Amino acid sequence: GESVGLHLPTLSVQEGDNSIINCAYSNSASDYFIWYKQESGKGPQFIIDIRSNMDKRQGQRVTVLLNKTVKHLSLQIAATQPGDSAVYFCAEFGSWGKFQFGAGTQVVVTP
Amino acid sequence: EAGVAQSPRYKIIEKRQSVAFWCNPISGHATLYWYQQILGQGPKLLIQFQNNGVVDDSQLPKDRFSAERLKGVDSTLKIQPAKLEDSAVYLCASSLLAGGYNEQFFGPGTRLTVL
Repeated sequence: GESVGLHLPTLSVQEGDNSIINCAYSNSASDYFIWYKQESGKGPQFIIDIRSNMDKRQGQRVTVLLNKTVKHLSLQIAATQPGDSAVYFCAEFGSWGKFQFGAGTQVVVTP
Repeated sequence: EAGVAQSPRYKIIEKRQSVAFWCNPISGHATLYWYQQILGQGPKLLIQFQNNGVVDDSQLPKDRFSAERLKGVDSTLKIQPAKLEDSAVYLCASSLLAGGYNEQFFGPGTRLTVL
């Protein structure tokens, strides 16, 4: 069935560099796309979301880009810090009324 | 504002035993979700309540899993009998509104190990 998936299982980033986490989705009927951060031993934490009628949204140090033509979502983290080390999930929400998560990308920040 | 509370945090049981997890959502939140998160995977929705009614339990293995949300507040998820493949983190989440997209808040999860 249709699902949300991620391109890379692990991303190693040097502290201070920008991180880009990618996500492919296949359900064109999704209304919202959401990024979550999950630290070890904790539940997922909301980072930022974007509605399907937008192509870019910015938050504090984070930017989400949505390309509906190729069904691609990305999360950019500026000036990556050690505290950004975590697993990042994209999820989608549509008219079916529930969230569907991808498999996640492990981000490792190196000094 | 207090977050979503879950207990226990960890549980180890033998296969074929029973186990129950408890969730207390954020006060006033209408929607409550139970997710199963197998190691290395994203959360998978098991059941979704709006107030005390079930709106989606399509991925709940109903032969062994059950859940209830009495009085539209706290919820319990039960597994009876457990299988090895039930080893996972069970996450509870809640969101303010009933229906439609709104931010969901997750608890810390219960890590279940079935031996």
